[in-house]
Amino acid sequence: GQNIDQPTEMTATEGAIVQINCTYQTSGFNGLFWYQQHAGEAPTFLSYNVLDGLEEKGRFSSFLSRSKGYSYLLLKELQMKDSASYLCAVLDSNYQLIWGAGTKLIIKP
Amino acid sequence: DGGITQSPKYLFRKEGQNVTLSCEQNLNHDAMYWYRQDPGQGLRLIYYSQIVNDFQKGDIAEGYSVSREKKESFPLTVTSAQKNPTAFYLCASSPQTVSYNEQFFGPGTRLTVL
Repeated sequence: GQNIDQPTEMTATEGAIVQINCTYQTSGFNGLFWYQQHAGEAPTFLSYNVLDGLEEKGRFSSFLSRSKGYSYLLLKELQMKDSASYLCAVLDSNYQLIWGAGTKLIIKP
Repeated sequence: DGGITQSPKYLFRKEGQNVTLSCEQNLNHDAMYWYRQDPGQGLRLIYYSQIVNDFQKGDIAEGYSVSREKKESFPLTVTSAQKNPTAFYLCASSPQTVSYNEQFFGPGTRLTVL
């Protein structure tokens, strides 16, 4: 079956750095997405990786290793507004998005 | 402004009643999707549509129905056959389904069945 694993919850301190991991086992691979979702709101797009390596976008970076079935989202200089759930999703061979359950990130002052 | 709208934000219904959730987009996207989100679970695909007058079942279509009579609109009906309808429902769209394009989400409708 298809599976996406992420930690359920993480806690970090304002101003610090946090890494959210995602491992996947899917039928084929056409890219991996990270979305941010604040409580009760819609997910919003953060990043897309299809090739191995690190993609940097401001305070957020996303890494992919296709051979290991692994990705991480790195958030730097954490701000209180970064408190949210972070969703990992993989586009499989049928171009269907398979979603992880999300990681709830709690930022403490 | 371009975007996706869902209405209402909160919806309450009695058990046994059908209810229709609205989803409209003005992004000129071909593909539209309906997801259900439950606590502690990933988004699960209910139905999707790649073009007007065509739609396909997702992983959890039982107890739901959709229509796509216009490109802009993709309403979802939660029927009385859906055993656990209380959930957060998200509508999304993308330029195409068979692509790496990101999906754009509406604000969601929280349905509570009493």
